[in-house]
Amino acid sequence: EPEVTQTPSHQVTQMGQEVILRCVPISNHLYFYWYRQILGQKVEFLVSFYNNEISEKSEIFDDQFSVERPDGSNFTLKIRSTKLEDSAMYFCASSGHTEAFFGQGTRLTVV
Amino acid sequence: EDQVTQSPEALRLQEGESSSLNCSYTVSGLRGLFWYRQDPGKGPEFLFTLYSAGEEKEKERLKATLTKKESFLHITAPKPEDSATYLCAVQAGRNTDKLIFGTGTRLQVFP
Repeated sequence: EPEVTQTPSHQVTQMGQEVILRCVPISNHLYFYWYRQILGQKVEFLVSFYNNEISEKSEIFDDQFSVERPDGSNFTLKIRSTKLEDSAMYFCASSGHTEAFFGQGTRLTVV
Repeated sequence: EDQVTQSPEALRLQEGESSSLNCSYTVSGLRGLFWYRQDPGKGPEFLFTLYSAGEEKEKERLKATLTKKESFLHITAPKPEDSATYLCAVQAGRNTDKLIFGTGTRLQVFP
């Protein structure tokens, strides 16, 4: 069964460093998303991406964040100058038309 | 502001003891309501999409229903493997396909 794949599963980084979270969406999907979930809180939308550009972003998704689809299969989230409050689970999702399918997440820990 | 509220926060059931989880929503222009299952440390796993009041969907021991103000996830004769957090999310408004999540109901089923 097709699935969304995320790497790494866990990333520890020092405050102020840059991290890149990687995702391989389901192959025939056209819509891609990043969400995050801070421990004990709800899943929050960050950004959606369609046709090689951002289609929508939340207030959380400020200049510290960027997304890219560098080739036909990968979708990345870059977080520059990480802060302690960026520690969370980051989920990539993809959609063909309606339902979004999520990856298993990357646990980002900023120390 | 669009809001999704789930109740109860936590539910403990004996194996075989049927119950219902509630998701109430206040949104402008509901386009779809989604149920996901989330196991600890994992990404949300898609269960159902409901689009209009009166619609019902079933999968094994789960049945989701939708009214104009809320959705229910009915669990019939649950088993311990049904233990998970169940998330409700809505898509609302034009020109957006982001999901707005509730905080979830943490279900524990004891043998």
